[in-house]
Amino acid sequence: KAGVTQTPRYLIKTRGQQVTLSCSPISGHRSVSWYQQTPGQGLQFLFEYFSETQRNKGNFPGRFSGRQFSNSRSEMNVSTLELGDSALYLCASSFFSPDRGDEQYFGPGTRLTVT
Amino acid sequence: ELKVEQNPLFLSMQEGKNYTIYCNYSTTSDRLYWYRQDPGKSLESLFVLLSNGAVKQEGRLMASLDTKARLSTLHITAAVHDLSATYFCAVSGGGADGLTFGKGTHLIIQP
Repeated sequence: KAGVTQTPRYLIKTRGQQVTLSCSPISGHRSVSWYQQTPGQGLQFLFEYFSETQRNKGNFPGRFSGRQFSNSRSEMNVSTLELGDSALYLCASSFFSPDRGDEQYFGPGTRLTVT
Repeated sequence: ELKVEQNPLFLSMQEGKNYTIYCNYSTTSDRLYWYRQDPGKSLESLFVLLSNGAVKQEGRLMASLDTKARLSTLHITAAVHDLSATYFCAVSGGGADGLTFGKGTHLIIQP
């Protein structure tokens, strides 16, 4: 099976702009989660989507939003970018099973730089 | 709020030595995961621990889970340079927070 894919891989934006990141999960995985990774805060959970519905949400401002499509592909959007939004954004997909729990399979990430 | 603490955060060791990374978490959970991250890369799943007393081994790495103590360990046996990476533990709280990650242990193994 193909792994989780994310586009674009690298992005440079200016403060105040908005950005949309895309994620395609592993085939058959209906849950997609997003994480932000920074040197200071580490890995932080943004939100999770399952069957086109946001199921869980982390502690991030409303500028961070997402959605999931019927084919399980997901996008996240960040509006009014701030310098502190510079980070590696990781998408992960999962398929709950008794043997593997909700083990998450991560994509390569999108490196966002805000200038 | 679920908190996950790893220690040490930085570890430099010599090839051939043994060492253990510790992962403590603050609330009840029976789902714990270990991931590896190489510089500039994404996270690779290493171990899935789903019950008290679970022990998993892969090569020179062995992970265990004690849900009563809220503790997981990642033990490295006879370390080799290829194991140099950052190792994360992550706990599933079963609630609204997705996976909660520790800060990671940056492991350097020197010849």
